[in-house]
Amino acid sequence: NAGVTQTPKFRVLKTGQSMTLLCAQDMNHEYMYWYRQDPGMGLRLIHYSVGEGTTAKGEVPDGYNVSRLKKQNFLLGLESAAPSQTSVYFCASKWAGGPNTQYFGPGTRLTVL
Amino acid sequence: DAKTTQPTSMDCAEGRAANLPCNHSTISGNEYVYWYRQIHSQGPQYIIHGLKNNETNEMASLIITEDRKSSTLILPHATLRDTAVYYCIVVIQGAQKLVFGQGTRLTINP
Repeated sequence: NAGVTQTPKFRVLKTGQSMTLLCAQDMNHEYMYWYRQDPGMGLRLIHYSVGEGTTAKGEVPDGYNVSRLKKQNFLLGLESAAPSQTSVYFCASKWAGGPNTQYFGPGTRLTVL
Repeated sequence: DAKTTQPTSMDCAEGRAANLPCNHSTISGNEYVYWYRQIHSQGPQYIIHGLKNNETNEMASLIITEDRKSSTLILPHATLRDTAVYYCIVVIQGAQKLVFGQGTRLTINP
């Protein structure tokens, strides 16, 4: 049971480049989330999904797109990276309803030059 | 969701009990108190949650006051590995989202 995994672990981009971060979970969770965390700050929700084929905006969605084509995967895309998107990105998942126990991945450290 | 207030930082000696307070004076009747922690550079980890009764698990104890306006997370015998940022979150059961505040940075000293 791998839990929540994230790919890649580290990435450096130049301004204007695009990339996709992959989150995968093997717990059959319905809900999945993407957060970002800037140095010394708490986590901020970017986008989330309550089921396959559905996505919703979180607190800071601008500059990001997401897709949930398969229940186990949640993709976060940056179409044109900006230095302000330099951050650590965390993915999480949980079961629908019930306890608010989110399971987090190890994070992706992204630097945009 | 109700707002929470936590101290910015705390220190505790290794082997002693660490008591982390959280104020949530506007909590409503159907909101739970959740605690997560984030060890440096790792993803947050769920610790414990409760509605109104005190709760205990293998990681910690949660004490909620009778009026539910505040709570305390207790790490009974803190170790160096408990050094982390601890987040107190108030939320209804089954909510779609959690809101993480700034949390309390707990440092366990040898």
